[in-house]
Amino acid sequence: DTGVSQDPRHKITKRGQNVTFRCDPISEHNRLYWYRQTLGQGPEFLTYFQNEAQLEKSRLLSDRFSAERPKGSFSTLEIQRTEQGDSAMYLCASSPGLAGETQYFGPGTRLLVL
Amino acid sequence: GQNIDQPTEMTATEGAIVQINCTYQTSGFNGLFWYQQHAGEAPTFLSYNVLDGLEEKGRFSSFLSRSKGYSYLLLKELQMKDSASYLCAVRGFNKFYFGSGTKLNVKP
Repeated sequence: DTGVSQDPRHKITKRGQNVTFRCDPISEHNRLYWYRQTLGQGPEFLTYFQNEAQLEKSRLLSDRFSAERPKGSFSTLEIQRTEQGDSAMYLCASSPGLAGETQYFGPGTRLLVL
Repeated sequence: GQNIDQPTEMTATEGAIVQINCTYQTSGFNGLFWYQQHAGEAPTFLSYNVLDGLEEKGRFSSFLSRSKGYSYLLLKELQMKDSASYLCAVRGFNKFYFGSGTKLNVKP
């Protein structure tokens, strides 16, 4: 399977704990996006990488959120000192970066903060 | 700011045709995309428009009018498996802006 993969698929944590999610994009896709989605809403943009460079980060993203893509391949999203409001589906998507090309989404990581 | 509007929910009958509308106001436009999302799953790509007009792909068609900031997704010969949320998304300069999605209920 050469699609986008995410790990873990589900995460339950207690408020105040740190969590880290991983995304492996489709190989040779140079753009990678992170989104957050809550029930009944569309995906909300969090951040975006072109290769290893983080080019944009949502103003909605607090300092507790950080993302990396160290070698321009896989990416990690870390949430520090989790809050109950962080409970959501975290989606990763990748694209070749060409005009007109869609994004391909991974299966998501569902986070529940107790 | 960015604004993408689509109806929250629609209901249609198996075998019928349904049209899901989307209006948008975004800074920068590099295409309009439609995605299908079944409950608990990731969105999957359905169609893409960058020029005005109609794009047809089997039972699905999508229309775009850039001057009106308007698009629609047309689903023909509805099947029960088409029950899902349909997301309208606009690609800006570097990123995608999503609407809240239209939940389509297909009834027998």
